[in-house]
Amino acid sequence: EPEVTQTPSHQVTQMGQEVILRCVPISNHLYFYWYRQILGQKVEFLVSFYNNEISEKSEIFDDQFSVERPDGSNFTLKIRSTKLEDSAMYFCASSESKTGLEQYFGPGTRLTVT
Amino acid sequence: GIQVEQSPPDLILQEGANSTLRCNFSDSVNNLQWFHQNPWGQLINLFYIPSGTKQNGRLSATTVATERYSLLYISSSQTTDSGVYFCAVESPGYGNKLVFGAGTILRVKS
Repeated sequence: EPEVTQTPSHQVTQMGQEVILRCVPISNHLYFYWYRQILGQKVEFLVSFYNNEISEKSEIFDDQFSVERPDGSNFTLKIRSTKLEDSAMYFCASSESKTGLEQYFGPGTRLTVT
Repeated sequence: GIQVEQSPPDLILQEGANSTLRCNFSDSVNNLQWFHQNPWGQLINLFYIPSGTKQNGRLSATTVATERYSLLYISSSQTTDSGVYFCAVESPGYGNKLVFGAGTILRVKS
């Protein structure tokens, strides 16, 4: 069964450093998402992406964040200058369609900012 | 935005017991998914169920969209069922994003 993959599974970085989280969505999916879960809290939407541009973003997704689909398979989330409060689990998801269809989640990347 | 409330917040069961988890939402939905978050933090998709009833082994789910709730049933619980169960919904007019509830923490004791 096709699945969403994410790398790395765990990343430790120092405050102020740039990090890039990588995702490979399911191959025939057209919509891509990033969600975040701070430890002990609910999962929150960050951004959705379609046709090489941001479709929607939340208030959390400020200028420190960016997303890119650099080639036909990868989807990345970049945090330019990490802060302690960026420590969280980051989930990538993909779906075939924009509305109403199932979103398939990757296993997540645990980001720890020290 | 749409509100998603899950109950109970915590549940402790003896192995072999049955349980029902509830998800209430404040507006119409075109997508509803149930997830199990395992001890490693992974979100395991249990059901995609914007309406109707589905079953998968010991788990089943029912969504009554007109009354704005969904139920997740776990029968003959096992210790491996422990973890956090999340309900997430997508609602027309609120964008194509999933909005998650706060989750139900389930502990199954042997």
